[in-house]
Amino acid sequence: EDKVVQSPLSLVVHEGDTVTLNCSYEVTNFRSLLWYKQEKKAPTFLFMLTSSGIEKKSGRLSSILDKKELFSILNITATQTGDSAVYLCAGGGAGSYQLTFGKGTKLSVIP
Amino acid sequence: EADIYQTPRYLVIGTGKKITLECSQTMGHDKMYWYQQDPGMELHLIHYSYGVNSTEKGDLSSESTVSRIRTEHFPLTLESARPSHTSQYLCASSAGLGHTDTQYFGPGTRLTVL
Repeated sequence: EDKVVQSPLSLVVHEGDTVTLNCSYEVTNFRSLLWYKQEKKAPTFLFMLTSSGIEKKSGRLSSILDKKELFSILNITATQTGDSAVYLCAGGGAGSYQLTFGKGTKLSVIP
Repeated sequence: EADIYQTPRYLVIGTGKKITLECSQTMGHDKMYWYQQDPGMELHLIHYSYGVNSTEKGDLSSESTVSRIRTEHFPLTLESARPSHTSQYLCASSAGLGHTDTQYFGPGTRLTVL
């Protein structure tokens, strides 16, 4: 059974801090690792990673995948209160369009 | 960015009622999905469709049913709602071309069954 585990489950930081969120996965015929940000409503797509060692970057957010060690990290630098959300990690396998989601990391950024 | 819509956004109903949660997308995506998410918990796939007239049950057992008569429309129906069905229901779609696994989510329907 496919499994995605995220850590920590929750995190409280001050504005301006840098945070690293972790995601480990066991996905049959692994193809891609996706990160989403979920505020009060629906998850919004952040990154999709398919190749090991190549960093994806968008503003203050960046992510990298290690296919050998089966994990990914999401970094957020200079955090802002607007970064407060649940960050979801999901794994997708070849031959299936389904995603297996982790429980998420709840990030709270306080002023 | 995908445009995917869900109605209603919030629904409070009594036990035993039949309800249909609507989901539509305008991207022409072949793949559509329904997830159930309880507060603070992970998303669980309850139904998915890879195209018109194709529907499958997901990992989480659900008493709901779905249909896919048109590409853009993927409604979910509960024949007789119960308090255990209280949850958030999220609809998603993806193009599913090659390596494109990205699923785009609708705003969700928060269902409360009294």
